[in-house]
Amino acid sequence: QQPVQSPQAVILREGEDAVINCSSSKALYSVHWYRQKHGEAPVFLMILLKGGEQKGHEKISASFNEKKQQSSLYLTASQLSYSGTYFCGTSPSGNTGKLIFGQGTTLQVKP
Amino acid sequence: SQTIHQWPATLVQPVGSPLSLECTVEGTSNPNLYWYRQAAGRGLQLLFYSIGIDQISSEVPQNLSASRPQDRQFILSSKKLLLSDSGFYLCAWSVWGQGSGNTIYFGEGSWLTVV
Repeated sequence: QQPVQSPQAVILREGEDAVINCSSSKALYSVHWYRQKHGEAPVFLMILLKGGEQKGHEKISASFNEKKQQSSLYLTASQLSYSGTYFCGTSPSGNTGKLIFGQGTTLQVKP
Repeated sequence: SQTIHQWPATLVQPVGSPLSLECTVEGTSNPNLYWYRQAAGRGLQLLFYSIGIDQISSEVPQNLSASRPQDRQFILSSKKLLLSDSGFYLCAWSVWGQGSGNTIYFGEGSWLTVV
């Protein structure tokens, strides 16, 4: 039931792009993306509610393919501040209150 | 605006001792409340979630329990801690919205070390 993220880890140079994928074996109502810095609580980035919806946050955007039960997070022209662990969280159809997170993708941006 | 308070921030407990972590949310009513645990270098494991008073769902069978004595208060407890209970415990809240789904917001977390 836990969504699967790929890749597990990414190392980039500043200015490079990255894509983090999240897939689920269950039907989804929503997909949530969070970033966690070491030793801190996760911080909300964005939520995608509708199939095919795309959202953007500065140079970070995401898509949600409801039919394929997949979401992707796009990081463009990465900055040092993008380093951290990215989690996708998925919620089953309907308002059940339940949110399950993937295992995380560690992103390291180097100068 | 809504705020979430979680305490204590750090604690070191011996094996077999009890545990109580508390969390309160301000600025909203009837929130969904959550307890997650994160072992060192690992992902976020959902332990309990509650969509209302006396409505608590347990996700992982273990020696932990949760209670919601008031609408905006969530407590995580254990009668006897195990070494494997060590980790970073996060309380979170959300309010369902038709256009916003169940966006959850985390407290600052509690670091538990069982020795």
